[in-house]
Amino acid sequence: EAGVTQFPSHSVIEKGQTVTLRCDPISGHDNLYWYRRVMGKEIKFLLHFVKESKQDESGMPNNRFLAERTGGTYSTLKVQPAELEDSGVYFCASSQGAISTDTQYFGPGTRLTVL
Amino acid sequence: GENVEQHPSTLSVQEGDSAVIKCTYSDSASNYFPWYKQELGKRPQLIIDIRSNVGEKKDQRIAVTLNKTAKHFSLHITETQPEDSAVYFCAARRATSYDKVIFGPGTSLSVIP
Repeated sequence: EAGVTQFPSHSVIEKGQTVTLRCDPISGHDNLYWYRRVMGKEIKFLLHFVKESKQDESGMPNNRFLAERTGGTYSTLKVQPAELEDSGVYFCASSQGAISTDTQYFGPGTRLTVL
Repeated sequence: GENVEQHPSTLSVQEGDSAVIKCTYSDSASNYFPWYKQELGKRPQLIIDIRSNVGEKKDQRIAVTLNKTAKHFSLHITETQPEDSAVYFCAARRATSYDKVIFGPGTSLSVIP
């Protein structure tokens, strides 16, 4: 079974530019999550999709971040315009169900550096 | 809001010794506590979890303990090996469907051969 994949693995952009991150969940997983880890800190929840709908976007930092999951398959996370504090590793995870014990499988992450 | 604290932030042990990582959580409604391991350059992977209706769970060299009254839970690794070197994240989650996972800041474990 293929795992969660993310693209790109690394991205270096300048402040003010736009970046789009992509996540392909495990096939058949309706639940897709975005997380971010800023250096040395916790893996912080950003949002949760159930199929194509946003179930919880309470962790999105501000309106410069836009997540989509058209068709309920892959998801994109766009940062526009990027700021220095957006640097970090962005993880995507997916799960079959959404109850507490449904394992979330993580992707390898995208390391974003904003200069 | 809810948060999970984790200590220590870094831990070095000699191969063969034990390692203990401790976490506390703030949300008393949390009832599921997974632990993830992230090796260098790899993705976080679930290694063990515990539900609030048990106090301890073991899987070979790793064990987790939970004290719901004190809102503490811990990861214990015995007979550590170099391949145990990684960042370990504890986390807490409510039973409610769709509730988010709250992670701790991670512990970087180094096992010295």
